[in-house]
Amino acid sequence: DTAVSQTPKYLVTQMGNDKSIKCEQNLGHDTMYWYKQDSKKFLKIMFSYNNKELIINETVPNRFSPKSPDKAHLNLHINSLELGDSAVYFCASSPERGHTEAFFGQGTRLTVV
Amino acid sequence: GQNIDQPTEMTATEGAIVQINCTYQTSGFNGLFWYQQHAGEAPTFLSYNVLDGLEEKGRFSSFLSRSKGYSYLLLKELQMKDSASYLCAVDDYKLSFGAGTTVTVRA
Repeated sequence: DTAVSQTPKYLVTQMGNDKSIKCEQNLGHDTMYWYKQDSKKFLKIMFSYNNKELIINETVPNRFSPKSPDKAHLNLHINSLELGDSAVYFCASSPERGHTEAFFGQGTRLTVV
Repeated sequence: GQNIDQPTEMTATEGAIVQINCTYQTSGFNGLFWYQQHAGEAPTFLSYNVLDGLEEKGRFSSFLSRSKGYSYLLLKELQMKDSASYLCAVDDYKLSFGAGTTVTVRA
């Protein structure tokens, strides 16, 4: 049973399109995150939700909109995709805010052409 | 802001010991994590330090000095499968990562 699962694993799309990445965790954790890992392998936090409430929103373009229908799901919707959005996007969860051992999904490799 | 520094690359021989240093300057501190990431895979948890001192877990040990803003990860009896990127991350109600250290283990 995969603890943190995200779909799709690979996503190739054209500039200007809108796409979504889905994430689900079955660990019963309260907190979920989206991270972006660029070509230099630097892992940077984008968003964090705690019990469906947005608690961290780093300086991310507003083309990126997270949605958490319940505490087990955190989806990422991206509008008007740009070449610079190409990266690996990781979803993660942790037991609670302040207990941040994070469990990561397998990543979604997004390529914008 | 967050400033987390670690070397970019290290190479060592199978069976040897390698020490990966991490220095940090962050606005808050609730602990320090080390993660391992193999190419094309997700980061996986290795260790967590919140108090000063050494935490040992099998072949891997991690050390923390909060007053110096310093940590290291020690990998002993290196195996080929230890070739990976090692990420230092500071817990400030979110994980802020360093750029990672790529360790290459040679036969």
